[in-house]
Amino acid sequence: EVQLVESGGTLVEPGGSLRLSCAASGFTLSSYSMNWVRQAPGKGLEWVSYISSSGSNIYYANSVRGRFTVSRDNAGDSLFLHMTSLRVEDTAVYYCVRDKLGFTGSFDHWGKGTLVAVSS
Amino acid sequence: EVVLTQSPATLSLSPGERATLSCRASQNLDNYLVWYQQKPGQAPRLLIYDASNRATGIPARFSGSGSGTDYTLTISSLEPEDFAVYYCQQRRVWPPWTFGQGTKVEIK
Repeated sequence: EVQLVESGGTLVEPGGSLRLSCAASGFTLSSYSMNWVRQAPGKGLEWVSYISSSGSNIYYANSVRGRFTVSRDNAGDSLFLHMTSLRVEDTAVYYCVRDKLGFTGSFDHWGKGTLVAVSS
Repeated sequence: EVVLTQSPATLSLSPGERATLSCRASQNLDNYLVWYQQKPGQAPRLLIYDASNRATGIPARFSGSGSGTDYTLTISSLEPEDFAVYYCQQRRVWPPWTFGQGTKVEIK
C-alpha cells in the first residue's frame, strides 16, 4: 500500500524557517516525481513545488520561489521542503503528493498533510 | 498561467440524483484535465485523469468528458459518500499546475 506521511508542521513566527519531511513507503520513490501542494484553511488547493524522480528538475510556484527549497533522498525514501522567510499567507496544510507514473501533473497519491501556521 | 473556473460553486442535490460539474479553462487543455474529490478533513483523491480516464478504484458512476477549454465531471447517481468538494486541475501548461476553486456538492 502506498503511504505518504508528512511531518514537521508547527506554529512559527513570520520570518521564521521550517523543514517539512515526507516519508514514502509501499512504492519505489526513486521512480516517481513528487510534489508539495498546500491548502490554506477553508480555501482551495495550490501547487507549491515539483521535483523529478532523480532530483534533476525542480519547479516552484511564484509565491514561494526564492524562499522554499525542495529536495529528496531516494535511498532514504524521503521528500523534504525547506521553508524560509515564512509569511502569514504561507499558513496552510501542506500535502506530499506523488505524480502518476507517465502522467506528470496527475497527482495519484496524497499524504494526510501537515499544518504550518505562521503567526506572531 | 492557466486559469480554471468551476461552476457552480455549490450544487445542492439529493441522493440518487445526477450531478454535473463544469470546469472551464482560459486556454485549450488538449484533454489534460484532472478531477479530484475532497471530503472534510481528508486529502484530495484522484478521480479522473486526462479528461475521461477513471483512476484506480473509482466507481463507474463517475465520468469525465469535454475537450478544448470546457470539461465536465458527471456523477450519474449520487451516493451519500459522494457529497464533497470537487476540484479540477490542468496539466497541459506547467509549471505551475493550477486548480479550479472547487465545487461543493451538498445534500439538498
